[in-house]
Amino acid sequence: GAGVSQSPSNKVTEKGKDVELRCDPISGHTALYWYRQSLGQGLEFLIYFQGNSAPDKSGLPSDRFSAERTGGSVSTLTIQRTQQEDSAVYLCASSLTGQGYYEQYFGPGTRLTVT
Amino acid sequence: AQSVTQLGSHVSVSEGALVLLRCNYSSSVPPYLFWYVQYPNQGLQLLLKYTSAATLVKGINGFEAEFKKSETSFHLTKPSAHMSDAAEYFCAVSVEAGTALIFGKGTTLSVSS
Repeated sequence: GAGVSQSPSNKVTEKGKDVELRCDPISGHTALYWYRQSLGQGLEFLIYFQGNSAPDKSGLPSDRFSAERTGGSVSTLTIQRTQQEDSAVYLCASSLTGQGYYEQYFGPGTRLTVT
Repeated sequence: AQSVTQLGSHVSVSEGALVLLRCNYSSSVPPYLFWYVQYPNQGLQLLLKYTSAATLVKGINGFEAEFKKSETSFHLTKPSAHMSDAAEYFCAVSVEAGTALIFGKGTTLSVSS
């Protein structure tokens, strides 16, 4: 079946502009995660959605970052007033939830370059 | 708080040699532990996971890992390296089902012929 998809695969933007990154999780997966991968910081958790519960935003690095998940499926990560330090690969993952542990399946990522 | 330490940012082996990638974790409660592999320009793929069942976990592509509580370790091994194993490997921990993963810094594995 289809895996997690992300778009765009690459995004180049000028400093100060806003960007939106999209994630389509695996159908039926109720949990969705955003991570950021950069050379200096490695893989960092950003935000987590679980069903209809309030998202866990504890990993968002600043208030310029926000995310939403519409209809329990597609998610959009928005970065406002981008800075050069936002350049990274943004990874989305999804998983089932319930009794026991369900692994997270990752998308290919969006490479963001802020010039 | 949980954390993961991967010893060695870069490991080089010859084709056919043993692969050993080290991972130590810190957790105040019994953890869930994972190894992921990332090939160039691709996302993360799960190699194997420990979720409190058998301490020796077998994964895909001939990899396995052993959970050692006394050593707080979860090292990844493969008896015989293939050229196709060259990639970056990440160890990760989670302390509750369905929560975010905490990743180590990663280890790049190079395999020479």
